[in-house]
Amino acid sequence: RKEVEQDPGPFNVPEGATVAFNCTYSNSASQSFFWYRQDCRKEPKLLMSVYSSGNEDGRFTAQLNRASQYISLLIRDSKLSDSATYLCVVMEYGNKLVFGAGTILRVKS
Amino acid sequence: GAGVSQTPSNKVTEKGKYVELRCDPISGHTALYWYRQSLGQGPEFLIYFQGTGAADDSGLPNDRFFAVRPEGSVSTLKIQRTERGDSAVYLCASSLWTGGKNEQFFGPGTRLTVL
Repeated sequence: RKEVEQDPGPFNVPEGATVAFNCTYSNSASQSFFWYRQDCRKEPKLLMSVYSSGNEDGRFTAQLNRASQYISLLIRDSKLSDSATYLCVVMEYGNKLVFGAGTILRVKS
Repeated sequence: GAGVSQTPSNKVTEKGKYVELRCDPISGHTALYWYRQSLGQGPEFLIYFQGTGAADDSGLPNDRFFAVRPEGSVSTLKIQRTERGDSAVYLCASSLWTGGKNEQFFGPGTRLTVL
């Protein structure tokens, strides 16, 4: 079993749609959680950290459920520019980031 | 301010050759990380430096891989006797380790192709 699992997609959605990505992780001792965004042939860019209480940044909302070892990302009012691969990331003891394989999002006009 | 920089951006080499990949972290960031990303996968951890010392090198695949950070800033990842399976994008990240969330910021990567 992979340490961080994501649905690879692709998710094809129209502009303005709401889309949700889910992720599960296997190491219950994981300490911090993030969503990164990666455009084709570019480096991963930090989208948002994920807090236990859930957090929101504009159109993006992240949730963490430690008991179920589950992380989610909700994108509201999708824009064409949101098209990218979204990486679910878990930080383990010692600051090592463990990445999921990513979920591809394609927003179409 | 400047982000993480990596050189070269692309490196093509022949099987068996030696390569060095360089990373210049964000100024003031004490922690530096190397990751490797293969096509269709997320990045995989290789090694982590806190200052000059390697705090965790558990991700290095074998003894052909070595990394240094002699002055606590720039780091070099060294690969000896390259193999075709080493072909990947090598990513460097840095963070200002404050004991909190430790957000890591990535450089553009070096795309290594071993022929």
